[in-house]
Amino acid sequence: GQQVMQIPQYQHVQEGEDFTTYCNSSTTLSNIQWYKQRPGGHPVFLIQLVKSGEVKKQKRLTFQFGEAKKNSSLHITATQTTDVGTYFCAGRAGGTSYGKLTFGQGTILTVHP
Amino acid sequence: DARVTQTPRHKVTEMGQEVTMRCQPILGHNTVFWYRQTMMQGLELLAYFRNRAPLDDSGMPKDRFSAEMPDATLATLKIQPSEPRDSAVYFCASGSQGAEQPQHFGDGTRLSIL
Repeated sequence: GQQVMQIPQYQHVQEGEDFTTYCNSSTTLSNIQWYKQRPGGHPVFLIQLVKSGEVKKQKRLTFQFGEAKKNSSLHITATQTTDVGTYFCAGRAGGTSYGKLTFGQGTILTVHP
Repeated sequence: DARVTQTPRHKVTEMGQEVTMRCQPILGHNTVFWYRQTMMQGLELLAYFRNRAPLDDSGMPKDRFSAEMPDATLATLKIQPSEPRDSAVYFCASGSQGAEQPQHFGDGTRLSIL
């Protein structure tokens, strides 16, 4: 079955440092979504990437989708304490017309003030 | 803002007891997902419904778990009998039909089986 691997599992940064998490799929994806889960909370949708090589930005967050549509990354510039949480990528297999997503294991980000 | 509502928020019970978790999807959403989250396994998809019909429950232990949608406003996940290894946070999520639609998660049910 489809597998989505995410690295690193943990990342500790000082406030102001940059952060990147990477996502790799065993199969080609039709699209990929990113979610953020605050400690004790639930996953919240951040963004979706659909096109090969697509890059999207949300303020300090930059999302990329690989040319082969098998990998993706999330980069946060100048982290803040509000960025603390677990970041998940979730991929939908190529050719799938319905909503099933396969989630990566997530990257737990801690930010030290 | 519209939101997915899950009940109960917390449940502690002894092994062997039946557990029922409920979910009210966002009005108008026709896809509903049940996930289980643990530290070891992460987010696992248990079951998935579209227009109330089960599409995929391959991630769900069939001998003790069951998922249903009695109507468009209610999804249920039952465990009978419960075991300590079922302890986890169970999330329900809903979405609109279409491959590009995001999933909206509820606050989850924190289940502890003693």
